[in-house]
Amino acid sequence: QQPVQSPQAVILREGEDAVINCSSSKALYSVHWYRQKHGEAPIFLMILLKGGEQKGHDKISASFNEKKQQSSLYLTASQLSYSGTYFCGTEGYSAGNKLTFGGGTRVLVKP
Amino acid sequence: DAGITQSPRHKVTETGTPVTLRCHQTENHRYMYWYRQDPGHGLRLIHYSYGVKDTDKGEVSDGYSVSRSKTEDFLLTLESATSSQTSVYFCAITGAGGQDEQFFGPGTRLTVL
Repeated sequence: QQPVQSPQAVILREGEDAVINCSSSKALYSVHWYRQKHGEAPIFLMILLKGGEQKGHDKISASFNEKKQQSSLYLTASQLSYSGTYFCGTEGYSAGNKLTFGGGTRVLVKP
Repeated sequence: DAGITQSPRHKVTETGTPVTLRCHQTENHRYMYWYRQDPGHGLRLIHYSYGVKDTDKGEVSDGYSVSRSKTEDFLLTLESATSSQTSVYFCAITGAGGQDEQFFGPGTRLTVL
């Protein structure tokens, strides 16, 4: 099943903060986060692994609650360049290195 | 940037014709994936490969087949294109499965009339 992302869209002013949530109905081994600009390919932001290990951006933070099968991405002091659509991709224990992506969260940062 | 290219970048075809999309990588990565992206659905996995001649189905594999005869190339074939297969197709690669980031190709915009 596709993970559920919320909110579906958010509008921010530069410097404001936002949180994007990703919730799965199955046990997760890892959660990936990607950002996509219009007309471009998705770009990697972060991986969160079971056990607390994280790999990714220094300026992007995220959390992974294994028990609740949820992850959150924190956009802090947002910049204009943060605009785009954010996707979470989840990997279950029996997924065999396959990710299931959420429907995306559209973020617009205004001056 | 990861060395991953897709061809063609744009294609318009007619219903019932076969179509093959190519993904080429220069990174020698083991895992390769084909996704389709449609409004409101995010990225959905069509097929993936974990090595030469080793492939498996994703969540939306009906009407699609794949082949991987060399590490660097992963082909996606629409055996008889339908209008419901109009979409943007992305190829992705990764070296270590779910424990490593996926690098995406630039995408192929396919229109089936």
